[in-house]
Amino acid sequence: AQRVTQPEKLLSVFKGAPVELKCNYSYSGSPELFWYVQYSRQRLQLLLRHISRESIKGFTADLNKGETSFHLKKPFAQEEDSAMYYCALSGANNLFFGTGTRLTVIP
Amino acid sequence: DAGITQSPRHKVTETGTPVTLRCHQTENHRYMYWYRQDPGHGLRLIHYSYGVKDTDKGEVSDGYSVSRSKTEDFLLTLESATSSQTSVYFCATGGSEQFFGPGTRLTVL
Repeated sequence: AQRVTQPEKLLSVFKGAPVELKCNYSYSGSPELFWYVQYSRQRLQLLLRHISRESIKGFTADLNKGETSFHLKKPFAQEEDSAMYYCALSGANNLFFGTGTRLTVIP
Repeated sequence: DAGITQSPRHKVTETGTPVTLRCHQTENHRYMYWYRQDPGHGLRLIHYSYGVKDTDKGEVSDGYSVSRSKTEDFLLTLESATSSQTSVYFCATGGSEQFFGPGTRLTVL
């Protein structure tokens, strides 16, 4: 069965510090993984998808099939990164979301 | 963002009353979804549609029904609202990559 686990509900880091938001998944096939972000009072928006291998707003995420992980990383956190982050796994035209991690960047 | 709208954006209702939420898209996407967002649960799929009049259940479909009479509109109905259905409801369109509406905050008293 598909499952996405985000072990941290809350994460606080200081501005300029590195940040890593953890995501682990279980899926029997070849996974397609995403990170979505929800800023305060805004709708969810796509941040990253693993197949594009892009860096968006300084964030990167690498799919590690051996560890079944897709952790989101940024070397230097900014205050505007404070938001709710969801890891998601694509199934058959559905998305399975983790429970989310609320990131707070402390000035 | 303007391609997906939801109405109403906020609603307060009483237990036992029917409620219908509307999602409208101008993206001509075949797939549409309804999720609910609750603290500690993330987003959970309620129902989805893969075409006009084609719908299927998601993870938390009990107490909800949907209809899709045209490509642009996907309606979510709570037949008899309960307090456990107090939540923020998001509509989305797309497929493996999804695009979200602004959300509807529903409070059932």
